[in-house]
Amino acid sequence: SQQGEEDPQALSIQEGENATMNCSYKTSINNLQWYRQNSGRGLVHLILIRSNEREKHSGRLRVTLDTSKKSSSLLITASRAADTASYFCATASNTGGFKTIFGAGTRLFVKA
Amino acid sequence: SAVISQKPSRDICQRGTSLTIQCQVDSQVTMMFWYRQQPGQSLTLIATANQGSEATYESGFVIDKFPISRPNLTFSTLTVSNMSPEDSSIYLCSVEGWNTEAFFGQGTRLTVV
Repeated sequence: SQQGEEDPQALSIQEGENATMNCSYKTSINNLQWYRQNSGRGLVHLILIRSNEREKHSGRLRVTLDTSKKSSSLLITASRAADTASYFCATASNTGGFKTIFGAGTRLFVKA
Repeated sequence: SAVISQKPSRDICQRGTSLTIQCQVDSQVTMMFWYRQQPGQSLTLIATANQGSEATYESGFVIDKFPISRPNLTFSTLTVSNMSPEDSSIYLCSVEGWNTEAFFGQGTRLTVV
């Protein structure tokens, strides 16, 4: 079962624009993580945000977490063609045993 | 951090046969996890493998189809039994700690013909 639901499912933007992806989840969490996956490649961990944090930055990435709404967003600023990939949120929780569940993902296409 | 060695990296199997995937971690970990990623899809958690106890399976996955072993704190296996073409996927093992990122093996790309 997937806890995280992401939107949009697909996003196409021009290079230089910002890309925002959203993730909603259902149960209480310990942390939320964002991963990137290029086509046919492995997962790359981007950011982990703990349940008591509201915002984190890493380079061109900005992640927010609203536990009251059970939602998170990933913002990529000044996007590049190399950012073209699938992005997944993953929620780690101790509900029913410790585990991490992945969302369905957002496919981002950045046009040069 | 953790380094995970997973093998085989890929295999092509006949339907009706079974394949065992091995996952070796370079440090002792309490919990290991097995995921499946079907083509074009996200990762779906199959089960949690705890040392010293039976694996805990997610909804839609059963032990008869995906038996798991966890003989010690650094090793686990996942068997995909009685395979059909629908089992063609990438299978990944992972380890994670409390409030740390998940670390993944390289994945096993399984094709069932």
